[in-house]
Amino acid sequence: EDKVVQSPLSLVVHEGDTVTLNCSYEVTNFRSLLWYKQEKKAPTFLFMLTSSGIEKKSGRLSSILDKKELSSILNITATQTGDSAIYLCAVEKGTGANSKLTFGKGITLSVRP
Amino acid sequence: DTAVSQTPKYLVTQMGNDKSIKCEQNLGHDTMYWYKQDSKKFLKIMFSYNNKELIINETVPNRFSPKSPDKAHLNLHINSLELGDSAVYFCASSHPGLAGNIQYFGAGTRLSVL
Repeated sequence: EDKVVQSPLSLVVHEGDTVTLNCSYEVTNFRSLLWYKQEKKAPTFLFMLTSSGIEKKSGRLSSILDKKELSSILNITATQTGDSAIYLCAVEKGTGANSKLTFGKGITLSVRP
Repeated sequence: DTAVSQTPKYLVTQMGNDKSIKCEQNLGHDTMYWYKQDSKKFLKIMFSYNNKELIINETVPNRFSPKSPDKAHLNLHINSLELGDSAVYFCASSHPGLAGNIQYFGAGTRLSVL
């Protein structure tokens, strides 16, 4: 059975701290790994990773995939209260119309002022 | 001009009732999905449709019946609602292909079964 495991399950930090969120997976026919941020409502897309070792970056957020270790990390530097959210990791398997995302349980990040 | 819109946002109903949730996307995508997010925030796929054809049908009770009148719409009808159906239901859409499967989500419908 496919598995996506995120850790830690929750995290409380202070503004300005740097955090690292982890995602590991066991999925047959892996195609890509995606990170989403969920605040009050809809999960919003952050990154999609397909190749090992290539960092994706957007402002203070960055992410990298390690296909050998079957894992990914999401880093957030200089955290702000607006970073408080649930961060979801998802792994894609299958191709075309049969493509499917399996999500982890999410990491709840709270950033205190 | 919301990309993926769901209605209603909230639904409170009694056990045994039948209810529907509607979803529409204006992104031009050919694939749409229904997910269930339980109280522990675990997001799980229920169904996917590609160009009105059912593709993914996870182990979901047959009280849940999706319907796609066209590729921009995917509705979810639930018969004989049970307490365990209480959750947030998300619709999503994408255009899966060689470039991957980035899915865009609606704001969710919070269903409470009393």
